[in-house]
Amino acid sequence: GAVVSQHPSWVICKSGTSVKIECRSLDFQATTMFWYRQFPKQSLMLMATSNEGSKATYEQGVEKDKFLINHASLTLSTLTVTSAHPEDSSFYICSVGGFGTSGGLETQYFGPGTRLLVL
Amino acid sequence: GESVGLHLPTLSVQEGDNSIINCAYSNSASDYFIWYKQESGKGPQFIIDIRSNMDKRQGQRVTVLLNKTVKHLSLQIAATQPGDSAVYFCAENLNSGGYQKVTFGIGTKLQVIP
Repeated sequence: GAVVSQHPSWVICKSGTSVKIECRSLDFQATTMFWYRQFPKQSLMLMATSNEGSKATYEQGVEKDKFLINHASLTLSTLTVTSAHPEDSSFYICSVGGFGTSGGLETQYFGPGTRLLVL
Repeated sequence: GESVGLHLPTLSVQEGDNSIINCAYSNSASDYFIWYKQESGKGPQFIIDIRSNMDKRQGQRVTVLLNKTVKHLSLQIAATQPGDSAVYFCAENLNSGGYQKVTFGIGTKLQVIP
């Protein structure tokens, strides 16, 4: 599989500030990374697909101007939550595509997540 | 399929017993399925996968069964251990013109009783 890290693991910020979350693929060059958010006791909701060297593809209902994604290299994607508000408090998780045990690159390997709390 | 719920289904199992976690998926065209385990405060961890041309796949203590007729996926864990306590998600993958679309189920919380 792929090894994925995220930084920071925890962030607390004031309402109105911007927060940047980094996602790194440590052992795999990822042309595509994925960003999810997860509210307590709920499933993962795909926010956007991050494409290296091009614009991210956002899911319906996700504001691209609020959740800025930059995928400048094959190992790093960043998610910036701009003008954060308390309702943005959530668990943000990134993933990269990699080989599963059945072959193919459809398997996603996840980072440890970043918990954001907006006061 | 993709669902958002306020309350995760919970399965309580005695340590040493076998666990069966079920998942209904939504798209009959999905061609690849994955089970993930998510411990509290962590990202999902890959457990096992299966392609649509198979109906059973076994790993270490885990077995995935796929019934395409009723769009049903299950994860069987043998000799459940306390460390298996987590939330388990199934995911279905659809390959559409080279674009991968992954959809997660709502998850099932497994509680192992020592």
